[in-house]
Amino acid sequence: DTGVSQDPRHKITKRGQNVTFRCDPISEHNRLYWYRQTLGQGPEFLTYFQNEAQLEKSRLLSDRFSAERPKGSFSTLEIQRTEQGDSAMYLCASSPAGDTYGYTFGSGTRLTVV
Amino acid sequence: GQSLEQPSEVTAVEGAIVQINCTYQTSGFYGLSWYQQHDGGAPTFLSYNALDGLEETGRFSSFLSRSDSYGYLLLQELQMKDSASYFCAVRSPRGARQLTFGSGTQLTVLP
Repeated sequence: DTGVSQDPRHKITKRGQNVTFRCDPISEHNRLYWYRQTLGQGPEFLTYFQNEAQLEKSRLLSDRFSAERPKGSFSTLEIQRTEQGDSAMYLCASSPAGDTYGYTFGSGTRLTVV
Repeated sequence: GQSLEQPSEVTAVEGAIVQINCTYQTSGFYGLSWYQQHDGGAPTFLSYNALDGLEETGRFSSFLSRSDSYGYLLLQELQMKDSASYFCAVRSPRGARQLTFGSGTQLTVLP
């Protein structure tokens, strides 16, 4: 068990470009989450997968954001036509089934849009 | 919607006890969680309370009062490494699994 891995750790992109982030959850965890965090704030929910099914999606998530989890393993989060307001830490987390288990977060991908 | 209130900053000295409060407003309640996050690090799960009362895990304890929509995290025998941000979080009634986090409390432990 190597924890939740995210790649890349840092991404600098020009406004208008597309970016894609990858998350590898803990292998036994069937639940996977994407969150976004800005400085001084708590993580903000983006989307949730149970196995390969995307079951929840934040109303705040614009149509420029898309996430996938093929075969219920790793997940990708793509942001199209990036804007400066997209600059944030993008966190992936996973958890097993059951309410009492917390999330295991990855170290995140820091996105800077210039 | 949901909202959580917690103090933005707390300062204490090594060896002391500190309590971080969290009040929440939500149309449905599915449990209160606490996470710790060091600067530049990932949030780390500390505790989960679904029922009223105190849950103890080593130096950390978490309390919940559902009637008061209130909980707290108690840190005992503070150590320098406890300096971090602490977030309370509730499960949203809008979705079964998503957590709504508070803005966090920055704890500074002084020598």
